[in-house]
Amino acid sequence: DAKTTQPTSMDCAEGRAANLPCNHSTISGNEYVYWYRQIHSQGPQYIIHGLKNNETNEMASLIITEDRKSSTLILPHATLRDTAVYYCIAGSSNTGKLIFGQGTTLQVKP
Amino acid sequence: GAVVSQHPSWVICKSGTSVKIECRSLDFQATTMFWYRQFPKQSLMLMATSNEGSKATYEQGVEKDKFLINHASLTLSTLTVTSAHPEDSSFYICSARAGGASGANVLTFGAGSRLTVL
Repeated sequence: DAKTTQPTSMDCAEGRAANLPCNHSTISGNEYVYWYRQIHSQGPQYIIHGLKNNETNEMASLIITEDRKSSTLILPHATLRDTAVYYCIAGSSNTGKLIFGQGTTLQVKP
Repeated sequence: GAVVSQHPSWVICKSGTSVKIECRSLDFQATTMFWYRQFPKQSLMLMATSNEGSKATYEQGVEKDKFLINHASLTLSTLTVTSAHPEDSSFYICSARAGGASGANVLTFGAGSRLTVL
């Protein structure tokens, strides 16, 4: 699985969009980009995933660059409950497993 | 949506005893489940892949005799920490693939089980 690089921490004002970047410059053609988040002392929660195209669901939007070397997770209107560690993972469906990096700690402030 | 249940949520045991943690997929069948452990202020570390009807595949550095994994049915995998010691105290989390988009590998995670070994 390709290695991902994320900023250690970010702050965001409540009600504003949170843009979380992820670098995955060694991603291979069959690897998806997955985003999960973990709120303190809970199991990770799935947010969104994509291969090439931008994706949007009820939680977030995922923007993947054309060369697929980086992506951005967008929480359009961050709330205090979005405070969590956000993990960007590049994974292949061949093995099925997801390898977690260190993630970004997002602090949403009032 | 897909739900993965873990039991117990937390457990305290004495050093030298064994502890079993159950992971169940409640509304789907999972031929493969994954076990992770997480120490305070650290990320999740994959321990092993649990395969229904066959032996688990362990990640490098994980002792298979220490962490026994059994995947006896399509909805249940168990992790047994044998002869637990204080350094085994950790947050153990399981996950399972619930299907979904072809080619993707969306995992659903349990809420985790916190083990404290005294």
